[in-house]
Amino acid sequence: DQQVKQNSPSLSVQEGRISILNCDYTNSMFDYFLWYKKYPAEGPTFLISISSIKDKNEDGRFTVFLNKSAKHLSLHIVPSQPGDSAVYFCAALDSGTYKYIFGTGTRLKVLA
Amino acid sequence: KAGVTQTPRYLIKTRGQQVTLSCSPISGHRSVSWYQQTPGQGLQFLFEYFSETQRNKGNFPGRFSGRQFSNSRSEMNVSTLELGDSALYLCASSPGYGQYFGPGTRLTVT
Repeated sequence: DQQVKQNSPSLSVQEGRISILNCDYTNSMFDYFLWYKKYPAEGPTFLISISSIKDKNEDGRFTVFLNKSAKHLSLHIVPSQPGDSAVYFCAALDSGTYKYIFGTGTRLKVLA
Repeated sequence: KAGVTQTPRYLIKTRGQQVTLSCSPISGHRSVSWYQQTPGQGLQFLFEYFSETQRNKGNFPGRFSGRQFSNSRSEMNVSTLELGDSALYLCASSPGYGQYFGPGTRLTVT
């Protein structure tokens, strides 16, 4: 039972345009969400997070939106750069159990 | 602060053998989690240790075990290796909210 889903395994975007990565979750007990970027042969790197009491968090080119009623979050990257090409994982935390659940990842390719 | 370190980085083992992987968390982080990453499966949670106690456990067979020492360093052991255990094993430490990952140990079982 996949509690955190990233339904798009891959995404290609032109350099300078917006990249939108999506994530859906099923457990309403999740109250903290994170996005990670992962390059091959490296561990995931933390990008940005959002608490369930917020609906938006912004950090430079990265913005995460949370829609609690739809149990959906998205990561916007504007403008996209070739160096953003990586696999992006969303993760959710159930702070009652301290357990993080990860999605299966979306491979983003930014075309120069 | 130094990041999360994992040793060894690469490992090749034969079916039936056992293996021990090591993880040193960021100083001050008391929580250490282990994940298995295989292509198409994302990060599968193995277990989490907090203050030397296993606090959470994923859905892996008993061949996978771990422990945490008083200095928060953690080890993961896999006994009776199977071909399907070939994966990238990631360790993450946490101060509470958020996890910080090490570079992983690439295990290949032949």
